[in-house]
Amino acid sequence: NAGVTQTPKFQVLKTGQSMTLQCAQDMNHEYMSWYRQDPGMGLRLIHYSVGAGITDQGEVPNGYNVSRSTTEDFPLRLLSAAPSQTSVYFCASSRYMGNIQYFGAGTRLSVL
Amino acid sequence: EDQVTQSPEALRLQEGESSSLNCSYTVSGLRGLFWYRQDPGKGPEFLFTLYSAGEEKEKERLKATLTKKESFLHITAPKPEDSATYLCAVQINNNDMRFGAGTRLTVKP
Repeated sequence: NAGVTQTPKFQVLKTGQSMTLQCAQDMNHEYMSWYRQDPGMGLRLIHYSVGAGITDQGEVPNGYNVSRSTTEDFPLRLLSAAPSQTSVYFCASSRYMGNIQYFGAGTRLSVL
Repeated sequence: EDQVTQSPEALRLQEGESSSLNCSYTVSGLRGLFWYRQDPGKGPEFLFTLYSAGEEKEKERLKATLTKKESFLHITAPKPEDSATYLCAVQINNNDMRFGAGTRLTVKP
């Protein structure tokens, strides 16, 4: 049972480049979410999904896009990377919002 | 404004020295409070969920309690393997979760 899998583990981008952070879960969870974690700050919710085809914005959505075509996958897209998006990104899933969240190992992103 | 504050930011204990971590919150309507443990380079791992004031949960050397304004994570006779960052999170509505910045715990042998 793999749980929540994030790829890549590390990524370096130049300002203006685009990329997609991948997230997959094998627990048949309806709720999936993306957070960013910055030093001295708590995890902040970027986007979330309550099921396939349904997504919504969290606390800090600007500069990020998401889609949910299947229950298993929830990719996060950076359209035009900026240095302010340098952070560690975590994907999480749970049976439903308010239930225990299972987190991936994270993607460490640097934007130069 | 919904806010979750954890204190202290960092805590250094000797092995066996019991202490408590604090999570205070100001939210419009608490739906649940979660404690997670995070080891360096890894994602958070679930510890406890508390839903109502007066509720308590225990697991090995850890005990979580909840009042109307704050939660405590009590660590009894900690061991070096308890060293980690402990995160508190509050569910503030159907689809939003707010995390505190965490308490970094170091337990020296």
